[in-house]
Amino acid sequence: KAGVTQTPRYLIKTRGQQVTLSCSPISGHRSVSWYQQTPGQGLQFLFEYFSETQRNKGNFPGRFSGRQFSNSRSEMNVSTLELGDSALYLCASSLGVKNTEAFFGQGTRLTVV
Amino acid sequence: DAKTTQPNSMESNEEEPVHLPCNHSTISGTDYIHWYRQLPSQGPEYVIHGLTSNVNNRMASLAIAEDRKSSTLILHRATLRDAAVYYCIRRGGSEKLVFGKGTKLTVNP
Repeated sequence: KAGVTQTPRYLIKTRGQQVTLSCSPISGHRSVSWYQQTPGQGLQFLFEYFSETQRNKGNFPGRFSGRQFSNSRSEMNVSTLELGDSALYLCASSLGVKNTEAFFGQGTRLTVV
Repeated sequence: DAKTTQPNSMESNEEEPVHLPCNHSTISGTDYIHWYRQLPSQGPEYVIHGLTSNVNNRMASLAIAEDRKSSTLILHRATLRDAAVYYCIRRGGSEKLVFGKGTKLTVNP
């Protein structure tokens, strides 16, 4: 059974640009969540999608957005990149029912220069 | 606000048991306790979860206090591969995981 796949693994962008990250969940999983990990703030929840609907949203500015497709694959977009957006972005997939485990991908390392 | 408290770091020797504590004194009756760990350069990995009773799986055991205000993750025989940051998480009905700083476990050969 394939795990959670995130692409690309590494990305370098310039301030002001926008970026799109992709996440393919485990087959059969309908929930996809996104997290940002930085040395200073640790792991922080961005948002969660279930069956193409955003169910939860973390405390991030509107520059951070996401969507989920009918095949459960998800993308997140960050517009007008800032230096502080440099981070490891992690995607997690789960069945989406109460208290089942989440499976994380390897992450996308974004560097903003 | 992670609402759990864990020691910043712990050390263990290889092949010895490890007890990782977590305090969650304000837990509500329907919150589960989840444990995840993150090995260097990897995404977090699910370890175990429970509500009231002690739980066992192939990776670890979870001991939950009777008043549910604390819990302990038990690794029965630590290996070098268990060196990681361990996160104790209170989880309600949503998929959202609120990570704290976690406990960095060092395993000495």
